[in-house]
Amino acid sequence: DAGVIQSPRHEVTEMGQEVTLRCKPISGHDYLFWYRQTMMRGLELLIYFNNNVPIDDSGMPEDRFSAKMPNASFSTLKIQPSEPRDSAVYFCASSPVQTAKETQYFGPGTRLLVL
Amino acid sequence: AQKITQTQPGMFVQEKEAVTLDCTYDTSDQSYGLFWYKQPSSGEMIFLIYQGSYDEQNATEGRYSLNFQKARKSANLVISASQLGDSAMYFCAMREIQGAQKLVFGQGTRLTINP
Repeated sequence: DAGVIQSPRHEVTEMGQEVTLRCKPISGHDYLFWYRQTMMRGLELLIYFNNNVPIDDSGMPEDRFSAKMPNASFSTLKIQPSEPRDSAVYFCASSPVQTAKETQYFGPGTRLLVL
Repeated sequence: AQKITQTQPGMFVQEKEAVTLDCTYDTSDQSYGLFWYKQPSSGEMIFLIYQGSYDEQNATEGRYSLNFQKARKSANLVISASQLGDSAMYFCAMREIQGAQKLVFGQGTRLTINP
């Protein structure tokens, strides 16, 4: 079975440019999560969806960040305009209906560098 | 608010020795789940083990076991007979069982296994 798929795996861009990160969750999973990992702040949740609906976006740093989930098999995280401090690894994760011991399955991450 | 604390930024262990990675947590919830993830140098997040707050027995998965002390709010990961491939970052995380589905992560412990 395919795991969570993220693209691109690496992205280098210049400050001010728009960046779009993509995620395909595991088929049948109802929850999708976007995390950001940096040395300073560790792993932090940005936003999560349940059945394509955003549930909690309190972790989205500012209006430059937006996320969408137009259908059950695709989500995007967009940064516009990008800044050097956005450089991080962005993970997408998915999980089925949240039973007590259900873990989240992480994608390989997108390593973003904003120059 | 939930909080995870991992007090060991780095640990060095000889191959074949057992190692304990510390994790303490803070929550006002009665129902929660505790997770451990491994992040090797390649970057992916690998789920290792889960412990529910109402589980009476400590969780075990192969060489991994969880020393769960609810009254002390600790959930330490024990790796028996360590191997060179165990060298990685290890993250402890918590999730409410009811309500918000997000994982809250600790800062991680970098484990290095020496031959």
